[in-house]
Amino acid sequence: SQKIEQNSEALNIQEGKTATLTCNYTNYSPAYLQWYRQDPGRGPVFLLLIRENEKEKRKERLKVTFDTTLKQSLFHITASQPADSATYLCALDNYGQNFVFGPGTRLSVLP
Amino acid sequence: DSGVTQTPKHLITATGQRVTLRCSPRSGDLSVYWYQQSLDQGLQFLIQYYNGEERAKGNILERFSAQQFPDLHSELNLSSLELGDSALYFCASSVGRTVVNSPLHFGNGTRLTVT
Repeated sequence: SQKIEQNSEALNIQEGKTATLTCNYTNYSPAYLQWYRQDPGRGPVFLLLIRENEKEKRKERLKVTFDTTLKQSLFHITASQPADSATYLCALDNYGQNFVFGPGTRLSVLP
Repeated sequence: DSGVTQTPKHLITATGQRVTLRCSPRSGDLSVYWYQQSLDQGLQFLIQYYNGEERAKGNILERFSAQQFPDLHSELNLSSLELGDSALYFCASSVGRTVVNSPLHFGNGTRLTVT
């Protein structure tokens, strides 16, 4: 069956360190993968999109990798700050029909 | 601010009732998507409209229906409500007909509580 897993429900890291979040999928063949940030009581906010033929994408302190062989995407936040604390969702395209979201990882950056 | 407006923000109603959730997409976006988010299910895709026509259907119950009007705003109708329908309902919009390379812009949701 189709499944999207994100490494852990919650991740705590110290301010200034790099946070690494994982998104693994089974029985999907996404051409695109996106990462979103969601704060409590708010809608998800788009962060980055990566195509299947791109190995890596960067935007300021954010970096995303996409390995279609491993069926995995990694999302890195470097020099993390308390303001980065939020839930991060990966989403992959379901044969172009819609985006399917993972369950999310709740990141807490401790000062 | 995503530019997507959802009303109302909160809705409390009783089992068996019917409610309507409203969404105005971002200016210029032709696609509207509805998602349901509950604690145990995460974000679940319900339905997509593109320029007034239904384009894709997800895990939408028969008790739920939606439409997109000529001015591109959309409504999600939920009827014969059950306790399990309590959730956050999000509307998102995007420019294109297909999602593949378009980010979704989400509203801040309608929190529905069924008592």
